[in-house]
Amino acid sequence: DQQVKQNSPSLSVQEGRISILNCDYTNSMFDYFLWYKKYPAEGPTFLISISSIKDKNEDGRFTVFLNKSAKHLSLHIVPSQPGDSAVYFCAARLNYGGSQGNLIFGKGTKLSVKP
Amino acid sequence: DADVTQTPRNRITKTGKRIMLECSQTKGHDRMYWYRQDPGLGLQLIYYSFDVKDINKGEISDGYSVSRQAQAKFSLSLESAIPNQTALYFCATSDWTSGGAGEQFFGPGTRLTVL
Repeated sequence: DQQVKQNSPSLSVQEGRISILNCDYTNSMFDYFLWYKKYPAEGPTFLISISSIKDKNEDGRFTVFLNKSAKHLSLHIVPSQPGDSAVYFCAARLNYGGSQGNLIFGKGTKLSVKP
Repeated sequence: DADVTQTPRNRITKTGKRIMLECSQTKGHDRMYWYRQDPGLGLQLIYYSFDVKDINKGEISDGYSVSRQAQAKFSLSLESAIPNQTALYFCATSDWTSGGAGEQFFGPGTRLTVL
């Protein structure tokens, strides 16, 4: 059973517009949520995170929103740039048990930003 | 120089062969991880190690083994490779002691093909 779900395999956005990537989770024991960005032939790179006690975290063009009641988070990129074209992974951090600190990843969303 | 390195970057092998993938880090992190990525399936955890003497199975450990030779080195072995182990393999590290989200830092990946 998937604990972290990214239901949109792909998203296409025009340059300069907003990109919104969504993620849903099922486990209430996650204490942090993270977004990673992955270009082809490279490893994933950390983008931004949010604590489960926050509802928003902003870093430049990237903002993550967390809705705990809906078990939903989203990553907003404003304005979108062609260099943002990549696969974005949502991840959630476990805060209990022997695997405390481990990340559970979604399947990813491929973002294409068109000039 | 890269903080997390993986060797080899690409490998083609035959069914039944023993393969070792190596990972080294210069970040001084205590935790290390091996993931596998298949198209459309995101990142799946194979093994993880919280320190040199603490090694744990992840969600897909069957057919794999690991060795943590030192804090900076974590190798993954396929004792007898099979075609469905063809995938991208990523090593990652994290610093649990620093607090915060404990984000993981990934190597560039190894593309393994088993014929």
